Amino acid sequence: GENVEQHPSTLSVQEGDSAVIKCTYSDSASNYFPWYKQELGKRPQLIIDIRSNVGEKKDQRIAVTLNKTAKHFSLHITETQPEDSAVYFCAAPGSGYALNFGKGTSLLVTP
Amino acid sequence: DAGVTQSPTHLIKTRGQQVTLRCSPISGHKSVSWYQQVLGQGPQFIFQYYEKEERGRGNFPDRFSARQFPNYSSELNVNALLLGDSALYLCASSLGQLSSAEYFGPGTRLTVT
Repeated sequence: GENVEQHPSTLSVQEGDSAVIKCTYSDSASNYFPWYKQELGKRPQLIIDIRSNVGEKKDQRIAVTLNKTAKHFSLHITETQPEDSAVYFCAAPGSGYALNFGKGTSLLVTP
Repeated sequence: DAGVTQSPTHLIKTRGQQVTLRCSPISGHKSVSWYQQVLGQGPQFIFQYYEKEERGRGNFPDRFSARQFPNYSSELNVNALLLGDSALYLCASSLGQLSSAEYFGPGTRLTVT
């Protein structure tokens, strides 16, 4: 099945700086890569996703890039704000239609 | 439109008991997936159902079972509970096509004592 590695496990940035989280996957046939944000005690919330026919997708301060050759994809958050503090998970398709998740990155944005 | 709903919110059971968790998908979504999330980890895939048929199963013992009803709602059953089954159980719904986005419910927090 798909193996998803996520780095770093923790990330601390100052408000206004950028944050980058990287994930690698093993199955070259994977074609869908979502990112979820999970605040303490809440559900994982889909914040952005990318399909393999594009290399980059942006939504306001959030962007995701995909490098299919290297089998990695990254989440970029610009102009970080304290409310961006949360755990972020990347995912890639596993066997069949299931998603395999990375272990998460705990992002702390300090004022 | 309502999002994915799950019940109950919290549950406390003792070892050896059985539990049933419930999920209602977003209106129009035909696929429901169940995940287990242990503290500090990402969600782990348990089952996926589409049009009432099991479409995928993760690496979980046979004590875990699920089903999907004609209205696309779903139940997850866990028998012979172990302490290690304590976790947040998340349900996610999607349209069910390949590369369809999955949307999570609020989860059921299960504590086994």
